[in-house]
Order: sequence, then C-alpha cells, then structure tokens
Amino acid sequence: KAGVTQTPRYLIKTRGQQVTLSCSPISGHRSVSWYQQTPGQGLQFLFEYFSETQRNKGNFPGRFSGRQFSNSRSEMNVSTLELGDSALYLCASSSAGAPTHSGANVLTFGAGSRLTVL
Amino acid sequence: AQKVTQAQTEISVVEKEDVTLDCVYETRDTTYYLFWYKQPPSGELVFLIRRNSFDEQNEISGRYSWNFQKSTSSFNFTITASQVVDSAVYFCALGNQGGKLIFGQGTELSVKP
Repeated sequence: KAGVTQTPRYLIKTRGQQVTLSCSPISGHRSVSWYQQTPGQGLQFLFEYFSETQRNKGNFPGRFSGRQFSNSRSEMNVSTLELGDSALYLCASSSAGAPTHSGANVLTFGAGSRLTVL
Repeated sequence: AQKVTQAQTEISVVEKEDVTLDCVYETRDTTYYLFWYKQPPSGELVFLIRRNSFDEQNEISGRYSWNFQKSTSSFNFTITASQVVDSAVYFCALGNQGGKLIFGQGTELSVKP
C-alpha cells in the first residue's frame, strides 16, 4: 500500500513568487491535513480537507490556501512568498470519517516538501 | 487555549539506557486525544500512539511505554534499553477533532553506541 506522496520534495523560489505543493493521500483516505514545520515555530497546522471541503484552518495569512480534488489529492498554494515561508511542508492523510465524528485522527505523514525562499 | 510543552529540547543517552521523554499539555476540553510521533532524519513523522482522555491506562509496546496522568496533565514516553535506531525527534501532540493537532516543540533524542 503506497504511503502519502508529496511533490516536489525540494524547491527553491524567490520572494514574491508563488508555489504549489501537491499531496496524494493513501488510497481510500479522504481526509488531508497540511502542516508547516520550521525551526523557530515548530509544527503548525495549516488546514484540513475532507471530501473536497475545508474543515479546519490554522492561523496563517490568506496567502496560504489549499484545495482538495474529488480523488482526495490535495494541493496547497502560497502566494507572494516571503523569506519566512521557508519551511518543510508536511501533508498527512487519515482514514477517519467526518472530523466531527471521529475525534482526533491518526495521521499518516508524507516525507514533506522542503521550500527555500531566497 | 490548547498547548503542549516538551521541556526537554535534547537528550543524549548511551545505548541500553532507559530514557523518558516528558510531555505536559493544557486544554479546557473534556474530550481530547494525545499522540506521540517520531521524526527520523528522513523527515517523515511516524505515528507511535494515540490515547483518548477517558483512557488513563498505561500502555506498553515492546520497548516503548506511555504513562498518561490526567491529574498532572502529563503523557510521558519511556524507551527501555534504548538503541541507536531510536535516535530521532519525538513529538507529543494534542487534538480533539479531525486532523488538527497541536504539537510540542519536540525532543531530540540521541542514542550513542
């Protein structure tokens, strides 16, 4: 069974550019969550999607957005990149049902996309 | 507000020593879940355990054990007879719904041969 796949694994951008990161969840998983990991702030929740709907959102500016497709694959986009956006972006999927009914999910994480903003 | 504190930033032990990683949490919710994840150098977080707030039974899985105490809001993780392969960053996390977890800052464990 394939795990969570994130692409690209590494990328370098310059300030002001935008970036799109992709996440393919484990087959059958309908919930996808995104996290940002930095040395200073640690692991921070960005947002969660379930059945193409954003179910939860962290405390990030509107430059950070995401979406989920009908096949549960998800993308996140960061516009107008800033130096502080340099981070490891982790995607996680879960087989749990609707978030309001299943408690906190057991998440299976991908290896991440490491973004460097110059 | 929810918060998870892992006071130990780095721990270094010699192989075969026992080591305990501390985790203290804060929440006003009566129903919540606690997790431990391991992050090896490859970067991928690996799930270790989930406990809900109504289950205070301690758990043992091989060399790993967890001590959940609601009275002190702690969920500590002990590795018995540590091995070099246990070297990683360990995260404690708190959540109550879906995929939103509040993570601690992590404890970097180094096990030396």
